[in-house]
Amino acid sequence: NAGVTQTPKFRILKIGQSMTLQCTQDMNHNYMYWYRQDPGMGLKLIYYSVGAGITDKGEVPNGYNVSRSTTEDFPLRLELAAPSQTSVYFCASQRLREAGELFFGEGSRLTVL
Amino acid sequence: QQQVKQSPQSLIVQKGGISIINCAYENTAFDYFPWYQQFPGKGPALLIAIRPDVSEKKEGRFTISFNKSAKQFSLHIMDSQPGDSATYFCASSQGGSEKLVFGKGTKLTVNP
Repeated sequence: NAGVTQTPKFRILKIGQSMTLQCTQDMNHNYMYWYRQDPGMGLKLIYYSVGAGITDKGEVPNGYNVSRSTTEDFPLRLELAAPSQTSVYFCASQRLREAGELFFGEGSRLTVL
Repeated sequence: QQQVKQSPQSLIVQKGGISIINCAYENTAFDYFPWYQQFPGKGPALLIAIRPDVSEKKEGRFTISFNKSAKQFSLHIMDSQPGDSATYFCASSQGGSEKLVFGKGTKLTVNP
């Protein structure tokens, strides 16, 4: 049971480039989330999804897009990368909406130069 | 944006000592208070959680103390071990976890 898998683990982008961070979970969870973690700033919610075909914005969605075509996958798209998007990105999933345990992936470290 | 204020930012404790991390929240409607533990290079993992109908919850060496009137809750780690060295995040939410608000984290170092 792999849990939540994120790829790539590390990536360096140039300003203006685009890329997709992949996230897949094998726990059949309906709820999936993307967070970014910056030093000393905690975790900020970027986007979330309550099921296939349904996504919504979190606290810091600007510069990002998501899609949810299957229960398992929840990719995060960065368009026109900016230095402010340098961060560690975490995908998470959850079985129940009501304050259940979040299962996190190991993170994707992105640097924009 | 509702905030959860966490302190201290960093904490150094000797092996066998007690580690205490505090959090304060603003929204009186919050009804779920988890603590997450994160080791370097890993994602956060749920450590322990409490709801406001109890004032304390204990799981092994980890205890959450909850003070509803003061809108504060804290994590106590008894008999702290070097393996407890990690970053700890408190969080709060009302209803679903899409509304989960995280504190800024506390880096705990337990010296042998």
